[in-house]
Amino acid sequence: DAKTTQPPSMDCAEGRAANLPCNHSTISGNEYVYWYRQIHSQGPQYIIHGLKNNETNEMASLIITEDRKSSTLILPHATLRDTAVYYCIVRINRDDKIIFGKGTRLHILP
Amino acid sequence: NAGVTQTPKFRVLKTGQSMTLLCAQDMNHEYMYWYRQDPGMGLRLIHYSVGEGTTAKGEVPDGYNVSRLKKQNFLLGLESAAPSQTSVYFCASSYRMGQGVTEAFFGQGTRLTVV
Repeated sequence: DAKTTQPPSMDCAEGRAANLPCNHSTISGNEYVYWYRQIHSQGPQYIIHGLKNNETNEMASLIITEDRKSSTLILPHATLRDTAVYYCIVRINRDDKIIFGKGTRLHILP
Repeated sequence: NAGVTQTPKFRVLKTGQSMTLLCAQDMNHEYMYWYRQDPGMGLRLIHYSVGEGTTAKGEVPDGYNVSRLKKQNFLLGLESAAPSQTSVYFCASSYRMGQGVTEAFFGQGTRLTVV
C-alpha cells in the first residue's frame, strides 16, 4: 500500500505558487520523499526528492517538516502546462520497488 | 539518447490471444519496472527487475510474466489476454539505490485493448 495521503484535487491560478501537500506520518528515518507528475496520459516525470532538508531545483521546491511527517511541493509560478496529476512517494534507500498512490490532480486556472 | 522506449504503442487483442510488450532503455540502468494504469487511476506495479536475469512480483502480477535476459530490455508477456487487462502499460528504469541519482525514467506507454 502507498504510504502517503494526498488531496484528490486542487486548483491554482496561473502565475501563482501551487502548494501541494503530502502526508506521510509513518515515514521512517531512512525513507526519502519523491515527487513525480503525470501530464495527461504521458509517462510520469520525476520532479524532486529529499530526505530531511528542503530541496530546490529548476522545476520546484520541496519543503519537509521537521518531524518529516508531511511535505509540500511548491511550483513557484504555475503555468497551464503544470496541469497534471502529482504523486508523492516515500521510498526507503534499499527498497527496490516504487509504489504510486492516487496522487493530486492539479488544475491551473487561466 | 532515446531513454526508455516501449513497443508497440497501441495494440488490440482478442480474448485468449497472447502478446509481448518490449521495454528498452539505453541508460545502463539496473532497475526496470512494468506498471499498468486503468482510467482515472494511479499506476500499479506489475513486476520489476533489479538486474539482468532477475525478476520479482509487484502489486498486481497475476496474468503476466516477465523476462530480463539482457540488461537493457524488460519484456512483459500476456499468455492469455482477458478484457480486465485492457489498460495503459508503462515501463520505467532507474539506477540502483545508492548509486546517486535514483529517479525513475518512464516510457510513453502502450495502450492495450482486449476485446
